[in-house]
Amino acid sequence: GQSLEQPSEVTAVEGAIVQINCTYQTSGFYGLSWYQQHDGGAPTFLSYNALDGLEETGRFSSFLSRSDSYGYLLLQELQMKDSASYFCAVRDSNYGQNFVFGPGTRLSVLP
Amino acid sequence: EAQVTQNPRYLITVTGKKLTVTCSQNMNHEYMSWYRQDPGLGLRQIYYSMNVEVTDKGDVPEGYKVSRKEKRNFPLILESPSPNQTSLYFCASSLSNSGRETQYFGPGTRLLVL
Repeated sequence: GQSLEQPSEVTAVEGAIVQINCTYQTSGFYGLSWYQQHDGGAPTFLSYNALDGLEETGRFSSFLSRSDSYGYLLLQELQMKDSASYFCAVRDSNYGQNFVFGPGTRLSVLP
Repeated sequence: EAQVTQNPRYLITVTGKKLTVTCSQNMNHEYMSWYRQDPGLGLRQIYYSMNVEVTDKGDVPEGYKVSRKEKRNFPLILESPSPNQTSLYFCASSLSNSGRETQYFGPGTRLLVL
């Protein structure tokens, strides 16, 4: 089957850099996505990696290693508004067209 | 404004009383999904649809039905709700099902089944 693992909580201070890891087990990997969700809000798309390496979008970067079944989201110059939950998700090509999300990582940014 | 809308936003019902949660998108997206979100479990896909009249089960389809008669609408139907279906529900749409395409999520529907 499919499964994803993420740390449940991460805490950091404003201005710092934080890395949120995601390991996955799928039978037909297609790509790794990241979503952000603020309390009471809907998930919003952050990034997508299909190939190994780093993708950068402003303060956020996402990395993928297909050989290690591992990826991470890197948040730089943390701001208070980055306090949210972050989810990794995979589309598994061997399971039709569905998406599987990780359990989420709660990021708390302290002043 | 590009958006996914869901109704109702909040719903309290009793066991066994059929209900429908509507979902509509105005972006002409082909791919639509329903997810439920429970603490510690993340988002779990209930059903998805690749296009009109094409639907398929996600990871947790039991107790739910969907239909896709028009491209913009993808209602979620609970024929006989039970307390274990108390959850936060999200509808989402994307241009296609490739992970590269952004999934746009609706605001969510919080359901309590007594």
